[in-house]
Amino acid sequence: RKEVEQDPGPFNVPEGATVAFNCTYSNSASQSFFWYRQDCRKEPKLLMSVYSSGNEDGRFTAQLNRASQYISLLIRDSKLSDSATYLCVVTPRSSGTYKYIFGTGTRLKVLA
Amino acid sequence: GAVVSQHPSRVICKSGTSVKIECRSLDFQATTMFWYRQFPKKSLMLMATSNEGSKATYEQGVEKDKFLINHASLTLSTLTVTSAHPEDSSFYICSARESYRAENTEAFFGQGTRLTVV
Repeated sequence: RKEVEQDPGPFNVPEGATVAFNCTYSNSASQSFFWYRQDCRKEPKLLMSVYSSGNEDGRFTAQLNRASQYISLLIRDSKLSDSATYLCVVTPRSSGTYKYIFGTGTRLKVLA
Repeated sequence: GAVVSQHPSRVICKSGTSVKIECRSLDFQATTMFWYRQFPKKSLMLMATSNEGSKATYEQGVEKDKFLINHASLTLSTLTVTSAHPEDSSFYICSARESYRAENTEAFFGQGTRLTVV
């Protein structure tokens, strides 16, 4: 089983739609969680951290479920500019260092 | 926000030669840096974790003699692809984090280096 798994998609949604992605992780000792966004042929950029209580940033909402070992990202009122690959990141601790492990990424296409 | 600069952004080299990629944190000290490679339409695969002043920790399946990592200062880590071959052609990205063992510290990414070995 991969350490971090995501549905690769693509998710094709119309503008204005609400879309949700899930990401499962295998290491129960993982401490921190993030969602990154990556545009084609560019480096990943932080979208938001994921806190235990859940958090919201504008149209984006992130949730963490430690019992089931998954995190989610909800995007409301999708914009064309939201089209990108969304990567979840988990930081399991190994030999005293928190490593950044990426999921496979979920591609989102928002259609006009 | 914090900036990580990676150089070069693109390099083409001949098979058998070595290529050095630099990763610099411009406005913070990076005790930990990570090196990833990414194949087209695939996710980022962690290659190694670089800690300032100590040896890098390589992920399983990554040849340490092939991919030499040096993290000699708190602002610079280098990745050298030795005796490069066409199968080493990939997108290499570094990231840096300021705090060692910090739980909620985000990592910042360099712009990536697209390596093509001909």
